[in-house]
Amino acid sequence: GENVEQHPSTLSVQEGDSAVIKCTYSDSASNYFPWYKQELGKRPQLIIDIRSNVGEKKDQRIAVTLNKTAKHFSLHITETQPEDSAVYFCAATSASGGSYIPTFGRGTSLIVHP
Amino acid sequence: EPEVTQTPSHQVTQMGQEVILRCVPISNHLYFYWYRQILGQKVEFLVSFYNNEISEKSEIFDDQFSVERPDGSNFTLKIRSTKLEDSAMYFCAVKGGTDTQYFGPGTRLTVL
Repeated sequence: GENVEQHPSTLSVQEGDSAVIKCTYSDSASNYFPWYKQELGKRPQLIIDIRSNVGEKKDQRIAVTLNKTAKHFSLHITETQPEDSAVYFCAATSASGGSYIPTFGRGTSLIVHP
Repeated sequence: EPEVTQTPSHQVTQMGQEVILRCVPISNHLYFYWYRQILGQKVEFLVSFYNNEISEKSEIFDDQFSVERPDGSNFTLKIRSTKLEDSAMYFCAVKGGTDTQYFGPGTRLTVL
């Protein structure tokens, strides 16, 4: 089955700095990679996603890059703000066999200091 | 973003008791999922449900667990005899128009 590794487990930055979170996956059949943000005690919420036919996607201060050959993808947050503080989860999804089950990484706790 | 509600928000139960967690998607969906998140850990897949039957389940989803759509609307997860290690947040999710999954607010289950 799919295995997703996520690093770092904790990331502490100053407000205004950039933050980068990296994930690797093992199943070459995975073709959809969502990123979720989870604030304390709340549900995971989708913030950005990318498909395997695209190398990069950007939405305001958030961008995601994908390297299919190396099987890794990254989340980039620029001009971080205190409200960006949360746990971020990457996931890899394979549609093989009709299943759309994402495999999640272990999460990165992002702390943005004002 | 599809809306999903879950009840109760917090359930406290004694070990060995049965619990039923409920999920109500606001609009019509075909795919439903249950996930578990032990405090401080990652989200783990339990089971997927499509066209009123289980389509896939994980190793976590053993005989103690069951799912159903009793009235065509609510989607329930039943744990027959709870164990201490069942304490976790349980999230229901639905699949959107793409492959994206949208999570409900979760039920915090505490087994004493």
